[in-house]
This record gives sequence, C-alpha cells and structure tokens, in this order.
Amino acid sequence: EIVLTQSPDFQSVTPKEKVTITCRASQSIGSSLHWYQQKPDQSPKLLIKYASQSISGVPSRFSGSGSGTDFTLTINSLEAEDAATYYCHQTSSSVTFGGGTKVEIK
Amino acid sequence: EVQLVESGGGLVQPGGSLRLSCAASGFTFRSYWMHWVRQAPGEGLMWVSRINVDGSSTTYADSVKGRFTISRDNAKNTLYLQMNSLIPEDTAVYFCARDPYGFSPPDYWGQGTLVTVSS
Repeated sequence: EIVLTQSPDFQSVTPKEKVTITCRASQSIGSSLHWYQQKPDQSPKLLIKYASQSISGVPSRFSGSGSGTDFTLTINSLEAEDAATYYCHQTSSSVTFGGGTKVEIK
Repeated sequence: EVQLVESGGGLVQPGGSLRLSCAASGFTFRSYWMHWVRQAPGEGLMWVSRINVDGSSTTYADSVKGRFTISRDNAKNTLYLQMNSLIPEDTAVYFCARDPYGFSPPDYWGQGTLVTVSS
C-alpha cells in the first residue's frame, strides 16, 4: 500500500499569508496525486487533480506542484474561508489518503 | 445538479450488519465508477471500496475485505455497501463519491451517513 505523509499536521496562519502543505508518497506515483479541502461537518471538495491541474470553480489562489514522490499544495494569500483540513490523495496504486493538514486562521 | 444522498446509517452492536445506500441523481449514474470512503470521528479520510460502472469489478481496503460488499443497481441509480461482522473500529461517517474514469479522484461526494458500532 502506498503511504502518503503530509506535513505539517497543523498550521496557524494570518490572512493574506502564503500556505504550503507537502505530501510525500512512499513510492513513486507519477502525477496521480490530488488535493481535497474539507471544512467541519462537510464532505471533501476536490481542489487540484493530477498534481497541478486546476478544478473549475476553485479559486486561483490554490495551486499544486510536484511529481514522483514529493508534492506541494500552495494557497496564495490565504483568506478566512480557507480554514479547513486539507488531504492529499493518490490513485496510482489502489487508493489512499494522507493524514490531513489542519489550517487555522490566526 | 449532481446529488449523492447516503442513508442507512445508525447504531449497531458489534458483530451486527448494516446496509448503506447512496441515491444518485443529476448525472448518468451508470457511466461512473463509485467509491465508499469513511471518516472516523475526529480522524482523517479512509478509502473503503470501489466499484466499476457495471458492477463487474470491485476492490476493497484490507481492513474491510471479506466483511463488506459493494454493489450497485444502475436501474435504480443506487450504490450500496453491505457491512457484516461490524467492529467498533468501523464507527465512522460513510461517504459515497463518484469517480469519472475509475482511477481518477472522486469529484462529487455525498454528505455522509454515520455508522456507530457499540454495545
């Protein structure tokens, strides 16, 4: 099973600050890495697919990069509504999720 | 509008069974792979199972293999998860989600149904 390790587990950030979340895969997964946002008591929302492909309706401040084993989700100029837990997710071999990164607004 | 509505959750004793349903609308259900994903209270997401468009291919997480069965009825636009031999560790919100291509990230999710396994 491919293990996805996210860091940090928690981040407290000031509005307009830049946020960077990393996801490391236990083996190479090409670009089959996706990012979700989940707010409390809501279902996950797809933000980025295949490492860097944008999703219609998702604000442009969200971007992704990486390939192989190391991936990054970047939130430029954080807004209050971005307070949530972010998960990486791979579909290269079976299906697994990272442990999540909780982003809190200071 | 795409809608996925889960039902069937509730309180069940260890060793018991439960069948979850996911009613789909607003899209051509028979053209999409479907998943079940669960989330224990205060925890992260855990993939449970996946089924292809006609139900001929299914896969499961090791932790539920042999106990859970995913199925679908394309005539009723409904996805199912039969859960047997439930254990307390199965306590979670169960989400259904649609997958456009089979090995792609689910793009729409339901709101989930809570399953509690406790005596």
